[in-house]
Amino acid sequence: GAVVSQHPSWVICKSGTSVKIECRSLDFQATTMFWYRQFPKQSLMLMATSNEGSKATYEQGVEKDKFLINHASLTLSTLTVTSAHPEDSSFYICSADRGPQTGELFFGEGSRLTVL
Amino acid sequence: GNSVTQMEGPVTLSEEAFLTINCTYTATGYPSLFWYVQYPGEGLQLLLKATKADDKGSNKGFEATYRKETTSFHLEKGSVQVSDSAVYFCALRGFQKLVFGTGTRLLVSP
Repeated sequence: GAVVSQHPSWVICKSGTSVKIECRSLDFQATTMFWYRQFPKQSLMLMATSNEGSKATYEQGVEKDKFLINHASLTLSTLTVTSAHPEDSSFYICSADRGPQTGELFFGEGSRLTVL
Repeated sequence: GNSVTQMEGPVTLSEEAFLTINCTYTATGYPSLFWYVQYPGEGLQLLLKATKADDKGSNKGFEATYRKETTSFHLEKGSVQVSDSAVYFCALRGFQKLVFGTGTRLLVSP
């Protein structure tokens, strides 16, 4: 099946620094990727939709200057948390769209960010 | 907008018990419906899906039927195992976005 990989799986950083999380589709091209945030024992909250070669579309309430998304190629999207603060600590999950025919999304393993 | 409502957990069962996790949805058009599972420490995995009314998705002994008349997609399994302990998410997808329910934690004891 389709594989989506995220890196890093775990990251700890100091408050005020920036952290980049990568999401790669390993065996297919993904024109669209999605970034989610998951709080403990809660559902996934869609943050933004990332389209290759164009600007990301952010959900209401998500700060686009804080969560920078780049989708430079058909197999890679990156999420950069800028000037991270402890409240940004969370589990970030990406997913990739293999195409409209399947309807399903393929998810990465997630990246846990802890901001000290 | 589209939304998904799931029963709150945790659901606690003994091994070999029957499982039902309720899921209802609100959507415009004809969305596809999904159940995803998240095992402890892992990412989400697709469990099963149904793309049109009356379709039944099935996998690993789990089943769910797309009921348009009741806007439901309840997850069932006849005999759960300890290894089924996980969080289960009901989801729907319209044009592009995948919308999740809040998730239901299942705990199966030996």
